[in-house]
Amino acid sequence: GQNIDQPTEMTATEGAIVQINCTYQTSGFNGLFWYQQHAGEAPTFLSYNVLDGLEEKGRFSSFLSRSKGYSYLLLKELQMKDSASYLCAPVGSMGRRALTFGSGTRLQVQP
Amino acid sequence: GAVVSQHPSWVICKSGTSVKIECRSLDFQATTMFWYRQFPKQSLMLMATSNEGSKATYEQGVEKDKFLINHASLTLSTLTVTSAHPEDSSFYICSASGPGLAGVSDTQYFGPGTRLTVL
Repeated sequence: GQNIDQPTEMTATEGAIVQINCTYQTSGFNGLFWYQQHAGEAPTFLSYNVLDGLEEKGRFSSFLSRSKGYSYLLLKELQMKDSASYLCAPVGSMGRRALTFGSGTRLQVQP
Repeated sequence: GAVVSQHPSWVICKSGTSVKIECRSLDFQATTMFWYRQFPKQSLMLMATSNEGSKATYEQGVEKDKFLINHASLTLSTLTVTSAHPEDSSFYICSASGPGLAGVSDTQYFGPGTRLTVL
């Protein structure tokens, strides 16, 4: 099975930087996805990490440490539209491609 | 690229009726489609995994006779909620993945979701 732990809620200020952490335990490991979900909408793909280290993509970066079962999503220059839930989804055993999502972190960006 | 559509976007039905939800991959062939359900303020819960041309694999606790899934082609999967009841009211989201997609292998692209309300 899988265990995924993320903070439930976070608040940050427009223009600031915020880091959303995710710790996980999986049977096997085949990468980790981050998705963004605005209220009432479907998730959209943000990033995928399979090797250790930081992957930067514009204002968003994602970090992975496989040995620690740990990932984080870094959001820079926060904008009001970044208010959303952020879902961490590690992929377990190779043969299972379905994603198991954590409860997600609801980020509120304030002016 | 990698656009997934769902129809309808919302539906209201009476208790006891059946509702069909369609999920289409518009610009790629989806060898695998997934169906999720999400209740308010909760995370997405996987209901079933559907591979084209074969029977869907249901998650534990999901009734396969109540939630009928058909994946007859590489671009279309349907979910039919049979004899719907108020407790089935939820946000149903499909996702699709397939070979040859630009970007990361196995990335799932989500449809916009279908909000089902059973009266």
